[in-house]
Amino acid sequence: QSVLTQPPSVSGAPGQRVTISCTGSSSNIGAGYDVHWYQQLPGTAPKLLIYGNNNRPSGVPDRFSGSKSGTSASLAITGLQADDEADYYCQSYDSSLTGYVFGTGTKVAVL
Amino acid sequence: EVQLVESGGGLVQLEGSLRLSCAASGFTFSSYAMSWVRQAPGKGLEWVSAISGSGGSTYYADSVKGRFTISRDNSKNTLFLQMNSLRAEDTALYYCAKDYLHFDWLDNWGQGTLVTVSS
Repeated sequence: QSVLTQPPSVSGAPGQRVTISCTGSSSNIGAGYDVHWYQQLPGTAPKLLIYGNNNRPSGVPDRFSGSKSGTSASLAITGLQADDEADYYCQSYDSSLTGYVFGTGTKVAVL
Repeated sequence: EVQLVESGGGLVQLEGSLRLSCAASGFTFSSYAMSWVRQAPGKGLEWVSAISGSGGSTYYADSVKGRFTISRDNSKNTLFLQMNSLRAEDTALYYCAKDYLHFDWLDNWGQGTLVTVSS
């Protein structure tokens, strides 16, 4: 039922850079609505990671960055660390559905 | 510090009803829209419903429209989700989340309350 598509998993060695894509459509990301990202550590509630496409809440390391272009967005994690292992979700607003939409979720594994 | 504490989850039979609550503290509750987001076991996040700060506007995902009702009591800083005609696919951990303002992003989340619908 997810309207935003993400890769199921990405992985990288400690210190490497990984990116997660989030593909939407003309009624959400492509319509100009902002994209936000959440990190969900195992067994915990989601936590806001990036808001307004590329802004970090206080306390989020600058190793995390976001971008948006057209109908897609991306989350980049540089200097990958073991405690970055988590599920990551993108989120936007959809004018056709008149509500929030989430991505399918991406599991990040640190090799 | 913002705190959101959900309650009311449990085991319910197919076609049954349940009312979830979310007690909020640490911010001016009436000034912010609020949402319910659920996560089925082993699955991703699904937005369920949202309500404006005043309670005058409500929004629902198609999957729950006509069965769930969101409401709030600003005098008691509490958010509610009345769930009727429950289905097996409604089984999930239900999170209460605070909106930055109104349909912006969800900046604070509770720990969730588990709803299990059994036949």
